[in-house]
Amino acid sequence: EPEVTQTPSHQVTQMGQEVILRCVPISNHLYFYWYRQILGQKVEFLVSFYNNEISEKSEIFDDQFSVERPDGSNFTLKIRSTKLEDSAMYFCASMKDYGYTFGSGTRLTVV
Amino acid sequence: GEDVEQSLFLSVREGDSSVINCTYTDSSSTYLYWYKQEPGAGLQLLTYIFSNMDMKQDQRLTVLLNKKDKHLSLRIADTQTGDSAIYFCAESIGYSTLTFGKGTMLLVSP
Repeated sequence: EPEVTQTPSHQVTQMGQEVILRCVPISNHLYFYWYRQILGQKVEFLVSFYNNEISEKSEIFDDQFSVERPDGSNFTLKIRSTKLEDSAMYFCASMKDYGYTFGSGTRLTVV
Repeated sequence: GEDVEQSLFLSVREGDSSVINCTYTDSSSTYLYWYKQEPGAGLQLLTYIFSNMDMKQDQRLTVLLNKKDKHLSLRIADTQTGDSAIYFCAESIGYSTLTFGKGTMLLVSP
């Protein structure tokens, strides 16, 4: 069964550093998303991406966040200057015909 | 705004049926989803139901939707210890984003 692949599975970074989280969505899907889940809290929407541009973003997705689809297969989330409160599990998802498929997540720990 | 509420914890014995409940506020919801999350793992789509349906059955899983009361439930028949996980209810409007509940932790004891 097709999968959404995320790398790395776990990343530890120092506060203030830039991180890039990578995702390979399912190849024939058209909509791509990033969500995050702070430990013990709800899964929260960050951003959606369609037709090579951001279609929707939440209040969490401020200027320190950016997304790219650099080569037609990868979908990346960049956090420019990480803060302690960015520590969370970040999930990538892709969607076709209302079936959202999530990756297994990247656990980001900011120290 | 949109909100999705779930009970936080459910404990059952192996072989019993489990019923996990969810309520949502947005009457425009198009699709309602159930996801399973095992410890340290991602979100696994279990099933979803379109808002014009009342029920959907898939092997041991039965989803019931009461659109009038904005109530969604997931019944797991013959619950196994491998079903122990957190179950998230989520809703969306068309191709828009998913709004998740806080998740229900299901603990299945032998």
